Amino acid sequence: DTGVSQNPRHKITKRGQNVTFRCDPISEHNRLYWYRQTLGQGPEFLTYFQNEAQLEKSRLLSDRFSAERPKGSFSTLEIQRTEQGDSAMYLCASSERQGVDSPLHFGNGTRLTVT
Amino acid sequence: QKEVEQDPGPLSVPEGAIVSLNCTYSNSAFQYFMWYRQYSRKGPELLMYTYSSGNKEDGRFTAQVDKSSKYISLFIRDSQPSDSATYLCAIRSYNTDKLIFGTGTRLQVFP
Repeated sequence: DTGVSQNPRHKITKRGQNVTFRCDPISEHNRLYWYRQTLGQGPEFLTYFQNEAQLEKSRLLSDRFSAERPKGSFSTLEIQRTEQGDSAMYLCASSERQGVDSPLHFGNGTRLTVT
Repeated sequence: QKEVEQDPGPLSVPEGAIVSLNCTYSNSAFQYFMWYRQYSRKGPELLMYTYSSGNKEDGRFTAQVDKSSKYISLFIRDSQPSDSATYLCAIRSYNTDKLIFGTGTRLQVFP
């Protein structure tokens, strides 16, 4: 399967702990996106990268959140001092290039539960 | 006011029915319109995209955009049980790659 891969699929953590998620985009896709989806809602944009450069960050991305994409390949999303409100599905997507005709391909997400 | 409004449903229809899914948006700067399908515990997958007013057809699916009313629709003809999923509309403006999603409409097609 050469789609977007996200690990882990599920993560349960206690409030106050740090967690890190990984996303492996489709090979040679330059753009990588992180979204968050809560139950009954559509995905909400968090941030995106063009190669290794982080081009845009949402106001949703508080200073407890940090995303990286070293070498423009895989990406990690870290949440420090997790809160119960961080419980959600974290979705990663990649696209070949800029433009509406270059669709976003989503992974199946990492489901985070903060207890 | 949310930038994109979508009725969450659920919508339950018999197999073979024509399904109409709708979204409204608030900002005329939005120029690109997409429909995604999301099965349970999966990521969204792109069904169709369009950037002009009018209709775009792809098999059993038709996307319709009315920019004057800020209204977008997805029609599914001859609906099948395998169409049971959540359908998300998504929009973006010309100067960003950020997609803004609706809440999604949950559709169930029963045999």
